[in-house]
Amino acid sequence: EIVMTQTPLSLSVTPGQPASISCKSTQSLLHSDGKTYFYWYLQRPGQSPQLLIYQVSNRFSGVSDRFSGSGSGTDFTLKISRVEAEDVGIYYCMQALQPPLTFGGGTKVEIK
Amino acid sequence: EVQLVESGGGLVQPGGSLRLSCAASGFTFSSYDMRWVRQSTEKGLEWVSAIGIAGDSYYSDSVKGRFTISRENAKNSLYLQMNSLRAGDTAVYYCARSGSNGMDVWGQGTTVTVSS
Repeated sequence: EIVMTQTPLSLSVTPGQPASISCKSTQSLLHSDGKTYFYWYLQRPGQSPQLLIYQVSNRFSGVSDRFSGSGSGTDFTLKISRVEAEDVGIYYCMQALQPPLTFGGGTKVEIK
Repeated sequence: EVQLVESGGGLVQPGGSLRLSCAASGFTFSSYDMRWVRQSTEKGLEWVSAIGIAGDSYYSDSVKGRFTISRENAKNSLYLQMNSLRAGDTAVYYCARSGSNGMDVWGQGTTVTVSS
């Protein structure tokens, strides 16, 4: 099973300031088809997870361009260029390279 | 509007059974793989099961042999039959659509509590 490790566990960010979350996997998520099966999700308080970024760096439909994803192999990063109040919640990384799909433990983002 | 709505959760005793349902709307249900994911305080987000458009099914080791996933395309519905339930199965259960971009649509979840 691929283990996903996120850091930090929590972030307290001043509105308008940037934020960055890291996720590392125990093996490369690069598939032989050339795609990297790595994703970022946001779970706002009281809501279900919602897809933010797919295949490392592609923003899902409707996701603000303040969000960007980068990385390769086993190391990935989610950046929020200017944090807003609506960005509060828990961010999860996930791999879908091989079953079982596995998630990181989450990073809680709150506003200062 | 693309939507998934879960139902069927509740309180059940250890060893008991529950059947979860997920009603899909706003998209061609038969064209998508579907998944069940659960979330608990202890284990976080955990993939449970998946079913392909051809009906092929997959399970996590923790539920294999106890849970059965199925779909009824004519009713735009996904199901999860859960037998021999354990305390460790207590969680919020989400159904999710699995598109080319990953699990892109999630339901609001249904809560399963296994306790005597």
